[in-house]
Amino acid sequence: AQKVTQAQTEISVVEKEDVTLDCVYETRDTTYYLFWYKQPPSGELVFLIRRNSFDEQNEISGRYSWNFQKSTSSFNFTITASQVVDSAVYFCALHGSSNTGKLIFGQGTTLQVKP
Amino acid sequence: EAGVAQSPRYKIIEKRQSVAFWCNPISGHATLYWYQQILGQGPKLLIQFQNNGVVDDSQLPKDRFSAERLKGVDSTLKIQPAKLEDSAVYLCASSLTPDRGQTQYFGPGTRLLVL
Repeated sequence: AQKVTQAQTEISVVEKEDVTLDCVYETRDTTYYLFWYKQPPSGELVFLIRRNSFDEQNEISGRYSWNFQKSTSSFNFTITASQVVDSAVYFCALHGSSNTGKLIFGQGTTLQVKP
Repeated sequence: EAGVAQSPRYKIIEKRQSVAFWCNPISGHATLYWYQQILGQGPKLLIQFQNNGVVDDSQLPKDRFSAERLKGVDSTLKIQPAKLEDSAVYLCASSLTPDRGQTQYFGPGTRLLVL
């Protein structure tokens, strides 16, 4: 079975603080893909990043960075110097090679950034 | 490039009524997905189309839900009759191909409230 766990239901920080959103996944597939999506209050899921299981290199994009560790089955997401516009629900998702194409989503983490 | 379009954005109906949602994917995207997102949860796949054929509908409650993708472009999801537990956001997504790991791009969703 494939599963994604986002243990943090809600996180509240003050603007300019750094924040890390945790994601732990389970899969028996050797080839798989991990994703992060942002869901602002408008409701649309916005794609942030895709990572395949053979690429463990960490990635940085502006204030966003991702730490992928196969040894602990984790794919954590860090926002540096958070801003009010970062307030949203963030979802981690898994696509295993044994799946037809569906994404397995975690429960989501609600991030509130206060001014 | 235009994103995934969905309509209506909001719908309120009485239980046992029927309702239909429409989705137009990103131009050229062969694969289309319908997800159901219940409040406080991550999206769950209902059905996946490749062109106008169904790839995966294992999670679709077929006694009341139906979907079609005529001509392999836009798609319609129908619920008949609706139940209270169908209250959710219905998200449409598309990807360029069905290949493993393809990024799925989501529309704004249709928020359904069943009274």
